[in-house]
Amino acid sequence: DAKTTQPNSMESNEEEPVHLPCNHSTISGTDYIHWYRQLPSQGPEYVIHGLTSNVNNRMASLAIAEDRKSSTLILHRATLRDAAVYYCILRDLNFGNEKLTFGTGTRLTIIP
Amino acid sequence: DTAVSQTPKYLVTQMGNDKSIKCEQNLGHDTMYWYKQDSKKFLKIMFSYNNKELIINETVPNRFSPKSPDKAHLNLHINSLELGDSAVYFCASSQEGTAGGYTFGSGTRLTVV
Repeated sequence: DAKTTQPNSMESNEEEPVHLPCNHSTISGTDYIHWYRQLPSQGPEYVIHGLTSNVNNRMASLAIAEDRKSSTLILHRATLRDAAVYYCILRDLNFGNEKLTFGTGTRLTIIP
Repeated sequence: DTAVSQTPKYLVTQMGNDKSIKCEQNLGHDTMYWYKQDSKKFLKIMFSYNNKELIINETVPNRFSPKSPDKAHLNLHINSLELGDSAVYFCASSQEGTAGGYTFGSGTRLTVV
C-alpha cells in the first residue's frame, strides 16, 4: 500500500480555517485520496475524497497538488466539534482485495 | 436510521469466554469489514467480506471467526478470549468498485478481565 505522511498534531483557533497537509509521494495513478476523521469515542467518519481535481463538499475542501504527491484538507471555519484525529489514506480500487489502511493521522485541537 | 449498526456497544467478559459482536448495514453495500483499534488508537483491518465471501484475513488468530449470513450482516465470533483481545472493534461497509467512502459503525468496546 502506498504510504501517507501527516503531522502528528495541529492546533487551530475556533472559527478560523484549518489546513491539514498530507504527503503521498509514492501515489500511483489509480490511487484515490481519501480523508476520514475520528471524533472521540466514535468510529471513523468519511470526510472527502478526490483523484486529481480539487473537491468541495459540505464538510470540507480537498486541494490536490498538480503532481498528486501531496494534498491538503481544508476546514473553512473550524468549530470545537471539528476536534478529532484526521486520517489521509490512499485507496486503490483493487478488485478483490480492497481495504483502507489507516496511519497515525493528525490530531487536531481547536482552541476556543 | 443508523447506516452501520453494531451490538453490543460495550462488552465486558472474563478470559476464556466466547463472545459475539453483530454488525448490520442498510446501505446496500456489498463489502463489509472488521477493524480493531487497540489501546494506542491504531486502527487495523482484520477481515473483509464481499457478498458473503471472505476476501481479506489479516493474519488474525483463528480464535476470531467472522460469519456473513448475507451481504447486509457480518458478525464476529471470538473464542477463548484473552486479555490482549481488549480493544474497540469497528464494523464498516463499502461498495466494491466505487471510489466513495467507507461507512463505519460506532464501535464495540470489548474488555476482557
